Amino acid sequence: NAGVTQTPKFRVLKTGQSMTLLCAQDMNHEYMYWYRQDPGMGLRLIHYSVGEGTTAKGEVPDGYNVSRLKKQNFLLGLESAAPSQTSVYFCASNGGRENTGELFFGEGSRLTVL
Amino acid sequence: GDSVTQMEGPVTLSEEAFLTINCTYTATGYPSLFWYVQYPGEGLQLLLKATKADDKGSNKGFEATYRKETTSFHLEKGSVQVSDSAVYFCALSDPGTGRRALTFGSGTRLQVQP
Repeated sequence: NAGVTQTPKFRVLKTGQSMTLLCAQDMNHEYMYWYRQDPGMGLRLIHYSVGEGTTAKGEVPDGYNVSRLKKQNFLLGLESAAPSQTSVYFCASNGGRENTGELFFGEGSRLTVL
Repeated sequence: GDSVTQMEGPVTLSEEAFLTINCTYTATGYPSLFWYVQYPGEGLQLLLKATKADDKGSNKGFEATYRKETTSFHLEKGSVQVSDSAVYFCALSDPGTGRRALTFGSGTRLQVQP
């Protein structure tokens, strides 16, 4: 009963380093999302995908790239990390045949950029 | 653009007290409204939702009514428990954009003391 799984759960980077966060869902959902959560700002949408092979920008896409090569996976990449990218990142999915509006979230990945 | 405004926290209550967390929204179209809950160290979980005006969502003793005239979706519970301590997020959908994404408020932390 995995649902949405994110790896890694914690990571510390130095400024300028790169990394990739992996999100995997086993619910056969079409839609997937990456949000970042910062104190006092709620969750903000970084990028999203409406199906395998598609990606699109959300509200705060700068400094991030994504890929959706397989339906079950959605990768978030940081090519050159900056301290402003210190945050908790959440992956979510949506996509039953009925659009109930509900998003299913992973447990989050805490990233610190020094 | 669409936005959600929540009352700032933290909200500190004694066990069995009455809870209200205010949420107002700005949106074009006819969004669905949601309350999500985040327990410490976990991802967000759907608490309740309402899909049209005057609908009442309810779950685990929590309730919220979709008020179109006041653009509000306040969360209430008659008697809180220590186990209700968490961060609560109000959110709205974005029908018509094709994204099926949610726009979140900044979150309200609830602390319930025994």
